[in-house]
Amino acid sequence: GAVVSQHPSRVICKSGTSVKIECRSLDFQATTMFWYRQFPKQSLMLMATSNEGSKATYEQGVEKDKFLINHASLTLSTLTVTSAHPEDSSFYICSASAQETQYFGPGTRLLVL
Amino acid sequence: AQSVSQHNHHVILSEAASLELGCNYSYGGTVNLFWYVQYPGQHLQLLLKYFSGDPLVKGIKGFEAEFIKSKFSFNLRKPSVQWSDTAEYFCAVMSGGATNKLIFGTGTLLAVQP
Repeated sequence: GAVVSQHPSRVICKSGTSVKIECRSLDFQATTMFWYRQFPKQSLMLMATSNEGSKATYEQGVEKDKFLINHASLTLSTLTVTSAHPEDSSFYICSASAQETQYFGPGTRLLVL
Repeated sequence: AQSVSQHNHHVILSEAASLELGCNYSYGGTVNLFWYVQYPGQHLQLLLKYFSGDPLVKGIKGFEAEFIKSKFSFNLRKPSVQWSDTAEYFCAVMSGGATNKLIFGTGTLLAVQP
C-alpha cells in the first residue's frame, strides 16, 4: 500500500519551454502532497506544500510563478516548471501524506538544455 | 529554526558488522521522527517511524531506532548489515501542527563491502 507514482520519470526540454510533472497517489487519497527538489549528493529541499482544493504554500525562496502547483483531486498534484532554464535542471520528487506519514514518488529527472 | 543533523556523511562497513547512524534534531516540542532509505536508483522508502509510546521502534529489514528525548536523538541501528543495505539513509522530523512538513537531515551514505 501507499504507492506514489510520478510521470514522467525523466524529461529533456529546451530552455524557455514549460514542463509539467504529475504526482499520483495510487492506492490512497492524499489531501496534502509535497514537492521537493534534490540536488546531487544533497538532501531533499522542500519547495511547496500542495493542499487539495486550495493554493499551494511555497517555501521561502521558491518562486511561485515559476513553479506552478495544482492539486485538483485527492490523488493528483501537478508541478509545472514554467519557462525552464538550465539552472532548473534537477531531480524533482513528490510525496503524498497519509496518517501523518509521507510516501514518496520515484522522482522526475529534469534536464533543461 | 528546526534542523536535523546527521553527523556521519559516509560510512563504510563490512558485511555482518553492526550499524549505528546518528540523528539529532533541534525542536523543543512534540515531534514525529522518521528514517527513510534510498537505494541506488530507487525512490525514498520508509524504514520506520516514531510518533509516541515505546521509544525503541522496529522497522523493516531488521532496522530499529531509539528515541531519546533528553538527547534529542533518534539513532538508527542494525545488528548485522548486509551488502544489500548499501544505500543512503535520511533522518527526518515532523514538528507537528497542521502542515505535516518534514525536515530532512543531509543523509548518510552507507557502503557495505561484501
